[in-house]
Amino acid sequence: QKEVEQDPGPLSVPEGAIVSLNCTYSNSAFQYFMWYRQYSRKGPELLMYTYSSGNKEDGRFTAQVDKSSKYISLFIRDSQPSDSATYLCAMSATSGSARQLTFGSGTQLTVLP
Amino acid sequence: NAGVTQTPKFQVLKTGQSMTLQCAQDMNHEYMSWYRQDPGMGLRLIHYSVGAGITDQGEVPNGYNVSRSTTEDFPLRLLSAAPSQTSVYFCASKKGLSQPQHFGDGTRLSIL
Repeated sequence: QKEVEQDPGPLSVPEGAIVSLNCTYSNSAFQYFMWYRQYSRKGPELLMYTYSSGNKEDGRFTAQVDKSSKYISLFIRDSQPSDSATYLCAMSATSGSARQLTFGSGTQLTVLP
Repeated sequence: NAGVTQTPKFQVLKTGQSMTLQCAQDMNHEYMSWYRQDPGMGLRLIHYSVGAGITDQGEVPNGYNVSRSTTEDFPLRLLSAAPSQTSVYFCASKKGLSQPQHFGDGTRLSIL
């Protein structure tokens, strides 16, 4: 079983919809949680970065972390066609020489105009 | 500010050939990493470096070699290319231990 599980989709929604993207994980040592957005033929771009549990909001994006359930979410409000991309969750522990990231496999999102 | 720059963007190799993927960053980041991205597998760590002269293996290091002679550059070498190494390769860097990674735009590599 993978340490980080993410539904690959694809997920297709109409413009203006609220999108919910989720990841579950098994390693209780994970403390740093990130969401990356990856457009086709581009590198991952950091969207949200949170430490431990709680919520973080940035414009139309909200990241939630529930460590008791080992579950993280990214919500996109008023989704736009420009949000069409693959979304990757990533996380790391507080120990280790470089605190390397463990990634989910990504969810492909299409927002239809 | 260029960020993380990877060259080449595309490459086709024959089995058994060797090549070096280049990665350079201009952000003075200590930490640099190489990942490969395959369908359904997410990003997997190949090698990483915590500073000039210091490298270590990641999850999938076999068939790859790295060195870090300067803070800016972190090349990835394929010693003898195999079809299983067909993938998209990403280089990333970060400023500090708890900081997020910044990625380049990748090198798409096909091994025939």
